[in-house]
Amino acid sequence: AQKITQTQPGMFVQEKEAVTLDCTYDTSDPSYGLFWYKQPSSGEMIFLIYQGSYDQQNATEGRYSLNFQKARKSANLVISASQLGDSAMYFCAMREFYEGDYKLSFGAGTTVTVRA
Amino acid sequence: DTEVTQTPKHLVMGMTNKKSLKCEQHMGHRAMYWYKQKAKKPPELMFVYSYEKLSINESVPSRFSPECPNSSLLNLHLHALQPEDSALYLCASMPDLFAGTEAFFGQGTRLTVV
Repeated sequence: AQKITQTQPGMFVQEKEAVTLDCTYDTSDPSYGLFWYKQPSSGEMIFLIYQGSYDQQNATEGRYSLNFQKARKSANLVISASQLGDSAMYFCAMREFYEGDYKLSFGAGTTVTVRA
Repeated sequence: DTEVTQTPKHLVMGMTNKKSLKCEQHMGHRAMYWYKQKAKKPPELMFVYSYEKLSINESVPSRFSPECPNSSLLNLHLHALQPEDSALYLCASMPDLFAGTEAFFGQGTRLTVV
């Protein structure tokens, strides 16, 4: 069963506007972590932001913020003031303990296209 | 040094060839990962090494053989691959949870099997 769900295959956003990327997850590990990565067409996986399951406050990193709703098992990424360089694939990922070690598993991804 | 270095960046190999992918990190991370990523799909976990021991094998075919000679180096040996194995292969490393939370990725090796 899919553990990380991203329901938006693609999104268009106007330059300078904000965009929200959805992510829901499922795990039985009480000590999990949630990540967002950006992957441009070059293929490199760029870390954006992290939220631990016990973190009380929502994570923020510059223009990126994570809307963490633990009871709903959602961890949406908000990108504010979109720039043309934000056009890329965005993955939500979850670290959980599984069969003796920590796995990092990814959602299907959302392609973001920023329009001028 | 917060880099994970993968070599080569591109590799073309025939179905009868033997080749290896290499991944290095000098951050003292305890865990290293191999992922396979097809175009427009998410990375799929293949193997996890923790303290140089294989801890997770996601039922990967034996034509992929991982090796961790030391705490900084992770290899993926390839033999008798199929064209459907063509993909981007990503290596990642992660520290012990008490030392940090971020997983660092290399730039990947684009593999084409002909």
